[in-house]
Amino acid sequence: GAVVSQHPSRVICKSGTSVKIECRSLDFQATTMFWYRQFPKQSLMLMATSNEGSKATYEQGVEKDKFLINHASLTLSTLTVTSAHPEDSSFYICSAPVEGMNTEAFFGQGTRLTVV
Amino acid sequence: AQSVTQLDSQVPVFEEAPVELRCNYSSSVSVYLFWYVQYPNQGLQLLLKYLSGSTLVKGINGFEAEFNKSQTSFHLRKPSVHISDTAEYFCAVTNDYKLSFGAGTTVTVRA
Repeated sequence: GAVVSQHPSRVICKSGTSVKIECRSLDFQATTMFWYRQFPKQSLMLMATSNEGSKATYEQGVEKDKFLINHASLTLSTLTVTSAHPEDSSFYICSAPVEGMNTEAFFGQGTRLTVV
Repeated sequence: AQSVTQLDSQVPVFEEAPVELRCNYSSSVSVYLFWYVQYPNQGLQLLLKYLSGSTLVKGINGFEAEFNKSQTSFHLRKPSVHISDTAEYFCAVTNDYKLSFGAGTTVTVRA
C-alpha cells in the first residue's frame, strides 16, 4: 500500500526556536497533503492543506506565519513551527490522499513536538 | 460541512468479548466514512471504509462496520477482541479529501 513517511518522530526544542517537520510520500506523488494537530486525548484538527506549487490553505484560527508550510515537490511537504512556545507542544500528523484511491488518505507516523 | 460524533469516549472490554464503537455523522451531502486506529505515539492506520455499495464493510484485524443512512450511523464492531486491540479509534467522514474526525474512542482490553 501507499506509504507516507514523517520525520522526525520526536523532537524537543527550546522556546523561541524553529522546528521543521517533513512529510514524504514514498511510492506515489501527492499534489496535496494535509497537516493535522492532535492535543492529548483529543481528536485530530486539520491545520492546513498543502498544495504543490502553490500556497497552503490554512483553516480558520491557524496562524500561517507561525506554521509555515512548503510543498516543494510532488513527494515532500514541510511544516515549520516558527518561534515555538510551550503551547505549541503537540502531536502533528500529515496525510496524503492517493489519486484514484477514492479519497482514502494515508497518514504519516506523526511527530511529537515538545517545546521547553 | 460535515461533523462526526463518537458517542463513547472510553470503552473497557474483556479479552475475547465483543465490542461496538458508535459513530454518528451529519452532512448535507453524500459522504464517505472511515474508521482509523491509532496506537500510542503513532499515526493513523485505516481499519475500513465505506464508499458505496454494500452497507456492511469488513476491514482489517477482524473489524467490520455497518453504514446506516437513515440513522446516519457507522458503528464499528468486532466479535472477539484481543489485548492488541487496545488503542484509540477514530471515525471520520469526508466528501472530498479533507477528513473530519470524531473525538475518538479509547478501547482498553483487559485479560
